Amino acid sequence: GENVEQHPSTLSVQEGDSAVIKCTYSDSASNYFPWYKQELGKRPQLIIDIRSNVGEKKDQRIAVTLNKTAKHFSLHITETQPEDSAVYFCAAPGGFTGGGNKLTFGTGTQLKVEL
Amino acid sequence: EAQVTQNPRYLITVTGKKLTVTCSQNMNHEYMSWYRQDPGLGLRQIYYSMNVEVTDKGDVPEGYKVSRKEKRNFPLILESPSPNQTSLYFCASSPPGGRNYGYTFGSGTRLTVV
Repeated sequence: GENVEQHPSTLSVQEGDSAVIKCTYSDSASNYFPWYKQELGKRPQLIIDIRSNVGEKKDQRIAVTLNKTAKHFSLHITETQPEDSAVYFCAAPGGFTGGGNKLTFGTGTQLKVEL
Repeated sequence: EAQVTQNPRYLITVTGKKLTVTCSQNMNHEYMSWYRQDPGLGLRQIYYSMNVEVTDKGDVPEGYKVSRKEKRNFPLILESPSPNQTSLYFCASSPPGGRNYGYTFGSGTRLTVV
């Protein structure tokens, strides 16, 4: 099955700085890579995703990059704000296990944006 | 409003007392799944269902059961809860694979087994 590793586990940045979270995956059949944000006491929510046919996707201050050869993908947050403070999870589906919709999640990154 | 509804939000129970956590979605999604979230371990899949009457084990199925008698509902059953099942549980749903893998999560159930 798919194995997803996520780093760092905690990340502290100053407001206005950039934050980068990195994930690696093991199954070369993975073709979809979502990122979820989980605020304290809330459910994980999809913030951005990328499919394997593109190398980068942007949505305002967040972007995701994908390197299929190296099997890693990253979340980039620019001009960080206090409301970006949350736990971020990456995920990958692997091949056609789990009915084709299974997502294997990384262990999460606690991002803290300090004033 | 499109959503996944879980109940209860909080539950404290004793070892061995059977319990059910309900999950319902109103998006006509075929795929539904249960995850547990534990500190340092992220989200781990317990069971999933591709459609009505089709269920299968995820990565950590021991001690859990599920059923999918209707498309919208996917309850999680703990026949004999133990303290190591104390966790935060999330139900999620999505359309079938190949179109959109994006999960919509329920609001979570924090379970404590004493």
